Amino acid sequence: GNSVTQMEGPVTLSEEAFLTINCTYTATGYPSLFWYVQYPGEGLQLLLKATKADDKGSNKGFEATYRKETTSFHLEKGSVQVSDSAVYFCALNTGGGADGLTFGKGTHLIIQP
Amino acid sequence: NAGVMQNPRHLVRRRGQEARLRCSPMKGHSHVYWYRQLPEEGLKFMVYLQKENIIDESGMPKERFSAEFPKEGPSILRIQQVVRGDSAAYFCASSRQVDYEQYFGPGTRLTVT
Repeated sequence: GNSVTQMEGPVTLSEEAFLTINCTYTATGYPSLFWYVQYPGEGLQLLLKATKADDKGSNKGFEATYRKETTSFHLEKGSVQVSDSAVYFCALNTGGGADGLTFGKGTHLIIQP
Repeated sequence: NAGVMQNPRHLVRRRGQEARLRCSPMKGHSHVYWYRQLPEEGLKFMVYLQKENIIDESGMPKERFSAEFPKEGPSILRIQQVVRGDSAAYFCASSRQVDYEQYFGPGTRLTVT
């Protein structure tokens, strides 16, 4: 079956620090990969995605590269802000996208001024 | 364009009562997905529906849970005879057939007392 493993949190960083949140996966078939962000009391928002190997998804300064050889999709940002504090979920689906997402447990990111 | 709407946002039920959660997809979206988020856990896929059809219910508990997406009106997730373990946040997502990108609603937080 499908599964996603991401680093446990909370991750606490100072403003302007470099961010990496690790994500690895196992999948039957060829997955599409996603990062979602959840702010307190809200639903999930799609942050970025990649649908094939070596694709790089990017949005709002965040980036992640689909690495098929290492089955990874690590999230990075060069300089974090207090407003980036949230829970980040790595996810995948297969079957051309028309099926349910498999999520990691989430990483709580705390950015201190 | 209004986003995915869920109501109620908060629902309190006593053990043994029924809970009905409603989800209105984004305009033009014909696919609906339900997920459950237990405390300290990631989201778990429950069911995937198109209008009048259940496509994949592999994540639904076998008893007490049911879902529908009628030709007219919102999708409904119904939980009969709720127990304390049903306390969770329930999220709905919708997508178009073109790209299947899932957009999430704000969630319904169910508390069973």
